[in-house]
This record gives sequence, C-alpha cells and structure tokens, in this order.
Amino acid sequence: SQKIEQNSEALNIQEGKTATLTCNYTNYSPAYLQWYRQDPGRGPVFLLLIRENEKEKRKERLKVTFDTTLKQSLFHITASQPADSATYLCALPPTDSWGKLQFGAGTQVVVTP
Amino acid sequence: GAGVSQSPRYKVAKRGQDVALRCDPISGHVSLFWYQQALGQGPEFLTYFQNEAQLDKSGLPSDRFFAERPEGSVSTLKIQRTQQEDSAVYLCASSLDMNTEAFFGQGTRLTVV
Repeated sequence: SQKIEQNSEALNIQEGKTATLTCNYTNYSPAYLQWYRQDPGRGPVFLLLIRENEKEKRKERLKVTFDTTLKQSLFHITASQPADSATYLCALPPTDSWGKLQFGAGTQVVVTP
Repeated sequence: GAGVSQSPRYKVAKRGQDVALRCDPISGHVSLFWYQQALGQGPEFLTYFQNEAQLDKSGLPSDRFFAERPEGSVSTLKIQRTQQEDSAVYLCASSLDMNTEAFFGQGTRLTVV
C-alpha cells in the first residue's frame, strides 16, 4: 500500500540553525511533491512544489530536494526563526490521482530563541 | 473573497444529529477538496469536485457522508446520524485546477457528544 512517512518526533532547534525534515514514501511514482505548513487551529498553507525532474527548489530561506531513486524529499529551513515553529506536512498525489493529495502526518518544528 | 472560507468554525453535535458544513472556495477555482484531519495526523482525503462534478468520493468513510457543489462554487459536506468517531477537523481546499497548489480554509472542528 502507499505510505508517506515523516518523523513523528518534534524537532527542537535553536534560532539561527538549519532545520532538516524528511519525507519518505513507498509505492508511489509521484509527478511532484508538495510541502505545507500548518499552525495550530489553522488549515495547511502551501509552501513549495517540486516536480520529479527537479532535484532542488528554493524559496527564500526554504530549500527542498527530491530524490525519486531514494523515494525521499528533504525540507530545509535555514537561519531558522521562532516564527518558523509549526508543523510541516509533505503531500503527494497518489497513483491515478484526479488531483487529490495524500499527506504525511507531519513533523512539528519548535525554534527556540 | 481573499481566501477559502469555512463555516461554522466549531460545531458540537449530539450523537445521531445531522450536520452540514459549508465551504466557500476562492472565486474562479475549479477544483474543490474536502479532507478530514484527526488530532496529530495529516489531512485525509474525503472527496473532490471539478466544478459541479464530483469526480472522486473514494475517501468518504460511509454512506452517512454526502457532499455537493451544485453550482460549481460553494460546497456543503453533510454528515447524517453523526457518531463519535466523526469528531475531527474538516478542511476544505480549492485550487485553480487539479495538480496545482491547494488553498485551505481554517477548517470546521466537529465534536460529537
């Protein structure tokens, strides 16, 4: 069955350091992968989309890599700030998708001053 | 509107009661999705509309769940004879088309007592 795995343990990191999150998937051949941020009591907010033919994508302090051989995406927050504290979700379109996404359980990031 | 709007934000229902959750997507967005999110989990797909057509309802947990989007804009998710296991946050998302970034509403937190 198709499965998306993200670290379930919260990532505690000091302000200014780089946070690295992992998203591993099995039994998918996704055309793209998305990352979302979710704050408590709010809906997910889209951050980045990376396509299967792209190895890396950047947006401001965010960097995403996509390795279709390893079936893994890494999400980096550089120069982290307390405002980056949130849960980060990766999402993939399942096989034969009509555009729906399947989400991982998310990894909570806590950035301390 | 500026974003996806969901109402009500919170709903407490007695077991056996019917509920209706409303979603106002971003104007012009063709695709509309409903997701269910349990505490500590990622959103789980329920159903997908392209305009007024419900193209995928494979995620609806039972025949007590029904969704409609009669004019291709506002959508309603109806749950009949609510059960305690229906307690969750129900998220609505819209996108310009399938396979593009999804914009989520704040969700409706349903508590069945």
